[in-house]
Amino acid sequence: AQSVTQLGSHVSVSEGALVLLRCNYSSSVPPYLFWYVQYPNQGLQLLLKYTTGATLVKGINGFEAEFKKSETSFHLTKPSAHMSDAAEYFCAVNPTGTASKLTFGTGTRLQVTL
Amino acid sequence: EPEVTQTPSHQVTQMGQEVILRCVPISNHLYFYWYRQILGQKVEFLVSFYNNEISEKSEIFDDQFSVERPDGSNFTLKIRSTKLEDSAMYFCASMSEGRSPLHFGNGTRLTVT
Repeated sequence: AQSVTQLGSHVSVSEGALVLLRCNYSSSVPPYLFWYVQYPNQGLQLLLKYTTGATLVKGINGFEAEFKKSETSFHLTKPSAHMSDAAEYFCAVNPTGTASKLTFGTGTRLQVTL
Repeated sequence: EPEVTQTPSHQVTQMGQEVILRCVPISNHLYFYWYRQILGQKVEFLVSFYNNEISEKSEIFDDQFSVERPDGSNFTLKIRSTKLEDSAMYFCASMSEGRSPLHFGNGTRLTVT
């Protein structure tokens, strides 16, 4: 069975500051890992994904995440926050990328202040 | 870019009534899913559908729920007799093949009164 833990249900950063959203996973098999973003009253949009290969993956809107197997982590970062980044961010795991269900974390709401 | 579309965006129904939530997945996708998100909680898997049959379902997906792909384009979720606790945002998703990411629709907010 797999699970995802997102530390911090709310994160607040100043505009221009580093964004760090934490995600740890557990999986009995090598996982595929995803970050989704949800803007108010909208659906889930894929930010980035890790499947195999390079452990540092780049996504849309300047976000990136690094898969660290030894730490079972897949933290999301962005060097400089923008007001438009305010949203809910979900980490998700899919074992071996098969056509099975995604397991989501509880989400982290990112607030960006002036 | 092709997208998953869901209708209606908001559905209000009375307890005990049947509702059908509709989804049009991306046209060449083969795997279809329903997820739900109760207000303030995480996104939860309900059911996956492939090759015209359910491939996996969660314990939430009890006998009150059913899914159907009545034609080549629509994918529906039916709740036979709604309960107050069914109030949630329901997301449809589709995937082209086993290793591609899920594409989600914007959701249908179901309110059961």
